[in-house]
Amino acid sequence: DAGVTQSPTHLIKTRGQQVTLRCSPKSGHDTVSWYQQALGQGPQFIFQYYEEEERQRGNFPDRFSGHQFPNYSSELNVNALLLGDSALYLCASSLGQRPTDTQYFGPGTRLTVL
Amino acid sequence: QKEVEQDPGPLSVPEGAIVSLNCTYSNSAFQYFMWYRQYSRKGPELLMYTYSSGNKEDGRFTAQVDKSSKYISLFIRDSQPSDSATYLCAMPQGAQKLVFGQGTRLTINP
Repeated sequence: DAGVTQSPTHLIKTRGQQVTLRCSPKSGHDTVSWYQQALGQGPQFIFQYYEEEERQRGNFPDRFSGHQFPNYSSELNVNALLLGDSALYLCASSLGQRPTDTQYFGPGTRLTVL
Repeated sequence: QKEVEQDPGPLSVPEGAIVSLNCTYSNSAFQYFMWYRQYSRKGPELLMYTYSSGNKEDGRFTAQVDKSSKYISLFIRDSQPSDSATYLCAMPQGAQKLVFGQGTRLTINP
């Protein structure tokens, strides 16, 4: 059983560009969350998708947007990239939305903005 | 002030030692307390979670919560080199928005 997969593994962009990151949840999982992890910091919650709708959102600007598809996979889009957007972007999936429903994390996409 | 504070370390101990990792939090609404382990170049994985004050044991790992002090701990007994990783405390806010500490980088020396 494949776990959470993310693509690409690494990405280099320049300031002002736009980027799309992709996530395939663990088999059978219907809820996807995205986190940003800066170097040496803990992950910060960006938003969560369930039934193709954004359900919760963290303290991130509108430049960060997402989408969930009928097969539960998800995309994270970031517009007008800033140097400060350089980070590891983690996708997590779960079956259900209770606090105790385990979130399984993918290996992340390392984004570097030059 | 961050909602969850965690000493980033790094922490280096010899194999077989007992390790103590700690977090403090400010939001009294937090009800569940989780510990994640993150190996280099990997995503975090859930080690264990607790709901109320007290201790919870799982093999060599013990999680402890003191709600009155807003203080949580993770103890690792008989530490192994394979335990070398970053340990993150986390608390769900709302449904599943996890609020993480900064993480403590732990190295177990053979």
